[in-house]
Amino acid sequence: SQTIHQWPATLVQPVGSPLSLECTVEGTSNPNLYWYRQAAGRGLQLLFYSVGIGQISSEVPQNLSASRPQDRQFILSSKKLLLSDSGFYLCAWSRGTLYEQYFGPGTRLTVT
Amino acid sequence: QKEVEQDPGPLSVPEGAIVSLNCTYSNSAFQYFMWYRQYSRKGPELLMYTYSSGNKEDGRFTAQVDKSSKYISLFIRDSQPSDSATYLCATSNTGNQFYFGTGTSLTVIP
Repeated sequence: SQTIHQWPATLVQPVGSPLSLECTVEGTSNPNLYWYRQAAGRGLQLLFYSVGIGQISSEVPQNLSASRPQDRQFILSSKKLLLSDSGFYLCAWSRGTLYEQYFGPGTRLTVT
Repeated sequence: QKEVEQDPGPLSVPEGAIVSLNCTYSNSAFQYFMWYRQYSRKGPELLMYTYSSGNKEDGRFTAQVDKSSKYISLFIRDSQPSDSATYLCATSNTGNQFYFGTGTSLTVIP
């Protein structure tokens, strides 16, 4: 069976500090990978998605970036965090041939 | 116009009630429809998935799609306190990009 991991689970960072969130998927190969942000009481905002190694599509211009160094690894980064970057970050995966998307447990980021 | 619209609620019902959660979507090309349940401070969990029109039943849950009116519904029978969560509808037409509603918060009162 497939499993998706995210870490850390929670993170408190000062404004201006860097960020690195990691996501890995087990039990499948060549998944589509996604990063979403969910603000309190709001829906899911798609940040990035990737259909393969090194292939990243950005949905929202911002100070965040994503990378996919390995088939089942997806990393979300920032060089300098802003207060507005606070939120619940979710990684998800899907198979392009199947129209189901599965989410990780999420990382709660608070920028102070 | 947003791809998917969902009434945010909150919705509060007594235990045992039938719950109806609804979404509308804008693009008639959408073919795949999903419902997710999200408990507080957790990632969304895929509940049900349907293709095109019609009903799909899984235990106490029934997902319904009406493509003529671009309307999707999730019914929960015999609701339980453990059903208290936020429910998100979602749709896709390519399998690569997914569009989500903002979620409906449900509380089932014992």
